[in-house]
Amino acid sequence: DAGVIQSPRHEVTEMGQEVTLRCKPISGHNSLFWYRQTMMRGLELLIYFNNNVPIDDSGMPEDRFSAKMPNASFSTLKIQPSEPRDSAVYFCASTLTGVNSPLHFGNGTRLTVT
Amino acid sequence: SQQGEEDPQALSIQEGENATMNCSYKTSINNLQWYRQNSGRGLVHLILIRSNEREKHSGRLRVTLDTSKKSSSLLITASRAADTASYFCATDGGGETSGSRLTFGEGTQLTVNP
Repeated sequence: DAGVIQSPRHEVTEMGQEVTLRCKPISGHNSLFWYRQTMMRGLELLIYFNNNVPIDDSGMPEDRFSAKMPNASFSTLKIQPSEPRDSAVYFCASTLTGVNSPLHFGNGTRLTVT
Repeated sequence: SQQGEEDPQALSIQEGENATMNCSYKTSINNLQWYRQNSGRGLVHLILIRSNEREKHSGRLRVTLDTSKKSSSLLITASRAADTASYFCATDGGGETSGSRLTFGEGTQLTVNP
Protein backbone atom coordinates (compact mmCIF):
# COMPACT_ATOMS: atom_id res chain seq x y z
CA ASP A 1 0.00 0.00 0.00
CA ALA A 2 1.69 3.18 -1.22
CA GLY A 3 -0.49 5.50 0.79
CA VAL A 4 -1.94 8.76 -0.46
CA ILE A 5 0.37 10.29 -3.04
CA GLN A 6 0.51 14.02 -3.65
CA SER A 7 2.47 15.95 -6.23
CA PRO A 8 4.37 18.12 -6.42
CA ARG A 9 5.87 18.21 -2.91
CA HIS A 10 6.86 21.83 -3.34
CA GLU A 11 5.56 24.47 -5.69
CA VAL A 12 6.84 28.00 -6.02
CA THR A 13 5.01 30.28 -8.39
CA GLU A 14 4.41 33.92 -9.07
CA MET A 15 1.24 35.74 -8.27
CA GLY A 16 -1.30 35.40 -11.05
CA GLN A 17 -0.09 32.03 -12.26
CA GLU A 18 -2.24 28.90 -12.34
CA VAL A 19 -1.35 26.17 -9.87
CA THR A 20 -2.52 22.56 -10.05
CA LEU A 21 -2.06 20.17 -7.16
CA ARG A 22 -2.53 16.46 -7.64
CA CYS A 23 -3.60 13.58 -5.45
CA LYS A 24 -3.83 9.84 -5.81
CA PRO A 25 -5.88 8.31 -2.99
CA ILE A 26 -5.40 4.87 -1.53
CA SER A 27 -6.87 2.22 -3.79
CA GLY A 28 -10.32 1.21 -2.64
CA HIS A 29 -11.00 4.38 -0.67
CA ASN A 30 -14.14 6.17 -1.80
CA SER A 31 -13.89 9.48 0.06
CA LEU A 32 -11.29 12.12 -0.67
CA PHE A 33 -10.61 15.35 1.17
CA TRP A 34 -8.55 18.46 0.45
CA TYR A 35 -7.25 20.38 3.47
CA ARG A 36 -5.15 23.51 3.73
CA GLN A 37 -2.80 24.13 6.65
CA THR A 38 -1.43 27.50 7.70
CA MET A 39 0.03 28.80 10.93
CA MET A 40 -2.73 31.36 11.25
CA ARG A 41 -5.76 29.20 10.49
CA GLY A 42 -4.59 25.65 11.19
CA LEU A 43 -6.12 22.83 9.17
CA GLU A 44 -9.10 23.85 7.09
CA LEU A 45 -11.28 21.51 5.08
CA LEU A 46 -11.63 22.88 1.57
CA ILE A 47 -13.74 20.24 -0.16
CA TYR A 48 -14.52 16.58 -0.01
CA PHE A 49 -15.70 13.99 -2.49
CA ASN A 50 -17.64 10.80 -2.00
CA ASN A 51 -17.57 8.30 -4.85
CA ASN A 52 -16.00 11.00 -7.06
CA VAL A 53 -18.86 13.44 -6.42
CA PRO A 54 -18.20 16.73 -4.59
CA ILE A 55 -20.28 16.66 -1.42
CA ASP A 56 -19.28 19.82 0.39
CA ASP A 57 -17.22 22.63 -1.09
CA SER A 58 -18.20 25.26 1.46
CA GLY A 59 -14.60 25.51 2.58
CA MET A 60 -13.30 26.58 -0.80
CA PRO A 61 -12.23 30.14 -0.13
CA GLU A 62 -13.01 31.76 -3.47
CA ASP A 63 -13.95 31.09 -7.05
CA ARG A 64 -10.27 31.04 -7.80
CA PHE A 65 -10.21 27.58 -6.25
CA SER A 66 -11.64 24.55 -8.02
CA ALA A 67 -11.33 20.81 -7.48
CA LYS A 68 -12.11 17.82 -9.62
CA MET A 69 -12.16 14.08 -9.22
CA PRO A 70 -12.52 12.57 -12.69
CA ASN A 71 -12.11 9.03 -11.39
CA ALA A 72 -11.60 7.08 -8.19
CA SER A 73 -7.82 7.25 -8.38
CA PHE A 74 -7.13 10.90 -9.12
CA SER A 75 -8.07 14.36 -7.93
CA THR A 76 -6.81 17.86 -8.64
CA LEU A 77 -7.03 21.15 -6.79
CA LYS A 78 -6.52 24.17 -9.01
CA ILE A 79 -5.92 27.77 -8.06
CA GLN A 80 -6.28 30.35 -10.81
CA PRO A 81 -5.03 33.00 -10.50
CA SER A 82 -2.86 32.36 -7.47
CA GLU A 83 -2.22 35.00 -4.81
CA PRO A 84 0.42 35.28 -2.06
CA ARG A 85 -2.22 34.59 0.60
CA ASP A 86 -2.73 31.15 -0.95
CA SER A 87 0.70 30.15 0.33
CA ALA A 88 0.15 27.12 2.59
CA VAL A 89 0.56 23.38 2.77
CA TYR A 90 -2.23 21.57 0.97
CA PHE A 91 -3.08 18.07 2.09
CA CYS A 92 -5.11 15.38 0.42
CA ALA A 93 -6.61 12.60 2.52
CA SER A 94 -8.68 9.55 1.72
CA THR A 95 -10.76 7.00 3.56
CA LEU A 96 -13.56 4.50 3.25
CA THR A 97 -16.81 6.29 3.93
CA GLY A 98 -18.09 5.51 7.39
CA VAL A 99 -18.75 7.08 10.75
CA ASN A 100 -15.66 5.61 12.35
CA SER A 101 -13.21 5.78 9.49
CA PRO A 102 -9.81 7.39 10.08
CA LEU A 103 -8.30 9.60 7.41
CA HIS A 104 -5.10 8.72 5.59
CA PHE A 105 -3.11 11.79 4.65
CA GLY A 106 -0.57 12.42 1.95
CA ASN A 107 2.60 14.33 2.79
CA GLY A 108 1.22 17.52 1.33
CA THR A 109 2.22 20.10 -1.24
CA ARG A 110 3.94 23.20 0.12
CA LEU A 111 2.80 26.09 -2.06
CA THR A 112 4.60 29.40 -2.09
CA VAL A 113 3.16 32.23 -4.14
CA THR A 114 5.47 35.22 -4.52
CA SER B 1 -13.66 27.33 12.11
CA GLN B 2 -11.87 24.80 14.27
CA GLN B 3 -14.20 22.87 16.55
CA GLY B 4 -11.47 21.18 18.56
CA GLU B 5 -9.17 23.22 20.71
CA GLU B 6 -6.04 21.67 22.14
CA ASP B 7 -4.39 22.61 25.36
CA PRO B 8 -1.57 23.33 25.88
CA GLN B 9 -0.40 24.82 22.59
CA ALA B 10 3.14 23.67 23.32
CA LEU B 11 4.60 21.16 25.76
CA SER B 12 8.25 20.41 26.45
CA ILE B 13 9.25 17.41 28.58
CA GLN B 14 12.17 15.10 29.21
CA GLU B 15 12.44 11.65 27.75
CA GLY B 16 10.74 9.10 29.99
CA GLU B 17 8.17 11.54 31.34
CA ASN B 18 4.47 11.37 30.54
CA ALA B 19 2.81 13.91 28.27
CA THR B 20 -0.84 14.89 28.57
CA MET B 21 -2.70 16.90 25.96
CA ASN B 22 -6.28 18.05 26.19
CA CYS B 23 -8.93 18.76 23.61
CA SER B 24 -12.27 20.50 23.91
CA TYR B 25 -15.00 20.54 21.30
CA LYS B 26 -18.37 22.18 20.86
CA THR B 27 -20.90 19.96 19.13
CA SER B 28 -22.12 16.39 19.44
CA ILE B 29 -19.85 13.70 18.03
CA ASN B 30 -19.90 10.12 16.84
CA ASN B 31 -16.24 9.79 17.60
CA LEU B 32 -13.11 11.73 18.40
CA GLN B 33 -9.78 10.98 16.82
CA TRP B 34 -6.20 11.89 17.58
CA TYR B 35 -3.55 12.40 14.92
CA ARG B 36 0.18 13.05 14.98
CA GLN B 37 2.08 15.23 12.52
CA ASN B 38 5.83 15.14 12.21
CA SER B 39 7.51 18.19 10.75
CA GLY B 40 7.06 18.37 6.99
CA ARG B 41 4.80 15.35 6.86
CA GLY B 42 1.10 14.55 6.67
CA LEU B 43 -1.04 13.67 9.65
CA VAL B 44 -1.04 10.11 10.89
CA HIS B 45 -4.01 8.58 12.67
CA LEU B 46 -3.24 7.43 16.20
CA ILE B 47 -6.44 6.39 17.89
CA LEU B 48 -10.22 6.73 17.65
CA ILE B 49 -12.60 6.76 20.57
CA ARG B 50 -16.33 6.41 20.05
CA SER B 51 -18.82 8.65 21.82
CA ASN B 52 -20.03 5.77 23.99
CA GLU B 53 -16.52 4.95 25.17
CA ARG B 54 -14.79 6.61 28.10
CA GLU B 55 -11.25 5.33 27.79
CA LYS B 56 -9.13 3.59 25.22
CA HIS B 57 -5.57 2.32 25.15
CA SER B 58 -3.15 1.67 22.34
CA GLY B 59 0.43 0.85 23.31
CA ARG B 60 1.80 3.86 25.20
CA LEU B 61 -1.27 5.94 24.32
CA ARG B 62 -4.27 6.41 26.56
CA VAL B 63 -7.25 8.45 25.47
CA THR B 64 -10.16 9.51 27.62
CA LEU B 65 -13.43 11.06 26.55
CA ASP B 66 -15.93 12.98 28.63
CA THR B 67 -18.92 13.80 26.45
CA SER B 68 -20.66 15.68 29.27
CA LYS B 69 -17.75 18.13 29.33
CA LYS B 70 -17.08 17.82 25.61
CA SER B 71 -13.44 17.10 26.27
CA SER B 72 -10.80 14.48 25.63
CA SER B 73 -7.26 13.90 26.74
CA LEU B 74 -4.34 12.08 25.17
CA LEU B 75 -1.70 10.64 27.47
CA ILE B 76 1.62 9.43 26.12
CA THR B 77 3.48 7.42 28.72
CA ALA B 78 7.25 6.96 28.93
CA SER B 79 7.83 9.50 26.19
CA ARG B 80 10.65 9.17 23.67
CA ALA B 81 12.45 11.72 21.55
CA ALA B 82 10.70 10.20 18.54
CA ASP B 83 7.36 11.31 20.00
CA THR B 84 8.31 14.90 19.20
CA ALA B 85 5.54 16.09 16.88
CA SER B 86 2.32 18.06 16.74
CA TYR B 87 -0.78 16.29 18.02
CA PHE B 88 -4.28 17.11 16.80
CA CYS B 89 -7.71 16.08 17.92
CA ALA B 90 -10.45 15.81 15.33
CA THR B 91 -14.19 15.50 15.63
CA ASP B 92 -16.85 14.50 13.16
CA GLY B 93 -19.68 16.77 14.21
CA GLY B 94 -22.10 13.93 14.99
CA GLY B 95 -25.09 12.88 12.90
CA GLU B 96 -25.58 9.91 10.60
CA THR B 97 -24.23 11.60 7.52
CA SER B 98 -21.19 13.30 8.99
CA GLY B 99 -19.15 10.27 8.12
CA SER B 100 -15.48 11.01 7.93
CA ARG B 101 -15.83 14.76 7.58
CA LEU B 102 -13.45 15.80 10.34
CA THR B 103 -12.74 19.16 11.91
CA PHE B 104 -9.29 19.51 13.43
CA GLY B 105 -8.11 21.49 16.41
CA GLU B 106 -5.09 23.77 16.35
CA GLY B 107 -2.76 21.16 17.76
CA THR B 108 -0.28 20.74 20.59
CA GLN B 109 3.40 20.89 19.74
CA LEU B 110 5.15 18.29 21.88
CA THR B 111 8.91 18.37 22.29
CA VAL B 112 10.58 15.47 24.06
CA ASN B 113 14.14 16.29 25.06
CA PRO B 114 16.63 13.42 25.17
